[in-house]
This record gives sequence, structure tokens and C-alpha cells, in this order.
Amino acid sequence: GAGVSQSPSNKVTEKGKDVELRCDPISGHTALYWYRQSLGQGLEFLIYFQGNSAPDKSGLPSDRFSAERTGGSVSTLTIQRTQQEDSAVYLCASSLERTSEQYFGPGTRLTVT
Amino acid sequence: QKEVEQDPGPLSVPEGAIVSLNCTYSNSAFQYFMWYRQYSRKGPELLMYTYSSGNKEDGRFTAQVDKSSKYISLFIRDSQPSDSATYLCAGGFTGANNLFFGTGTRLTVIP
Repeated sequence: GAGVSQSPSNKVTEKGKDVELRCDPISGHTALYWYRQSLGQGLEFLIYFQGNSAPDKSGLPSDRFSAERTGGSVSTLTIQRTQQEDSAVYLCASSLERTSEQYFGPGTRLTVT
Repeated sequence: QKEVEQDPGPLSVPEGAIVSLNCTYSNSAFQYFMWYRQYSRKGPELLMYTYSSGNKEDGRFTAQVDKSSKYISLFIRDSQPSDSATYLCAGGFTGANNLFFGTGTRLTVIP
């Protein structure tokens, strides 16, 4: 079946611009996660959605970052007023439930110039 | 201290060798562990998922968990050039909403 998809695959933006990254989880997966992967770093948790519950935003690094999940499916991660330190690969994952296996998308490589 | 520590390598081995990849973790609450393989410029791919101490085998891959020493390992038998990738270990527990990842070990299998 179809896996997790993300778009765009690459995004180059100027410092100060806003960007939106999209994630389509695996159909039927109720849990959705965003992580950030910087060069030489492990995956850094950003935000978690589970069904209609309030999201866990504890990993968002600043208030410039926000995310929403519409209809319990597609999610959008928004970064406002991008900074160079936001350059990273943004990975989305989904799972059947919170403690089950997480399946990742291919990621969006964000470059802020 | 990071929740999960992993030697970043790089690690180079000849084709056919047995590869041992290792992680340590500090959080005794961890209940389950995963190994992911990540090819260059791709997303992580789930390889193994283990929920208890002991060994779990899947083809050429064996995941080993020792909760008493907080040590997890992934063994790859008869390594192939196609195994060349970065391997990420991760731990999680029921009260957490996310996995805690190591930084990854970069493996190259030389033909």
C-alpha cells in the first residue's frame, strides 16, 4: 500500500519567508509525528497528533513553528520568518497507535539562504 | 546526556562480514526499541521492532536488547553492499508520545 508521502521534497527559501510543509500519512494511521533531522544529528521530535486529541507540541523549538492536522489525516508544518538554523530535513511519520511502529516519509529538505 | 547514545562511525567492512551496531540508553522507562535504516537522502525505513530483552531475528538481521545494561545491538550477517546506509536506533515507552533516536551509525560495505 501507499506509504507516508511528503511535499515538497526540496524547498529553498530566503531568510524571513514563511514555508509550509505537507505530510500525507498512511491511511488508517491515527498517530502522526513530525521530526527534524540536522546534519550529524539524530532525529529531533517536534510535534505529535493522535486522533482528535490536542497535539503534543512540546518539541517545537520556537513559536515560529506550528502544525495542524485536518480531518485526522493530512498535516501541515508551518515555519514563519525562517532562519538559517531552520535548514534541515523535516520528516513526517505515522503509526497505527502511539506505541506501534512508526513509518517515515521521504522528508522535505529545507534550505534557508 | 542524550537519551540514546550511538557511535556515529563511520564503519567500513568487507562484503560478507558480520556487522555489529550498538547503542546505549539512559532511560530505564524504555519498553520498546526500533532499528531504522536510512539511505542517503531518503527517509528512515523500519528494520526491526523489539519489545523485550533478548534476541529477535529477521533474515540476516538480529536485534538484541539487554535491559539490565541498557544496551541494544543490531547484527547484520553476510553483509552486502546494499546494506551501506546509516542505521538509527530508537527507544520509546508507553508514557511518551515520540521515539528517542540515536544520532545514527554510517555503515559502508565494500565489495
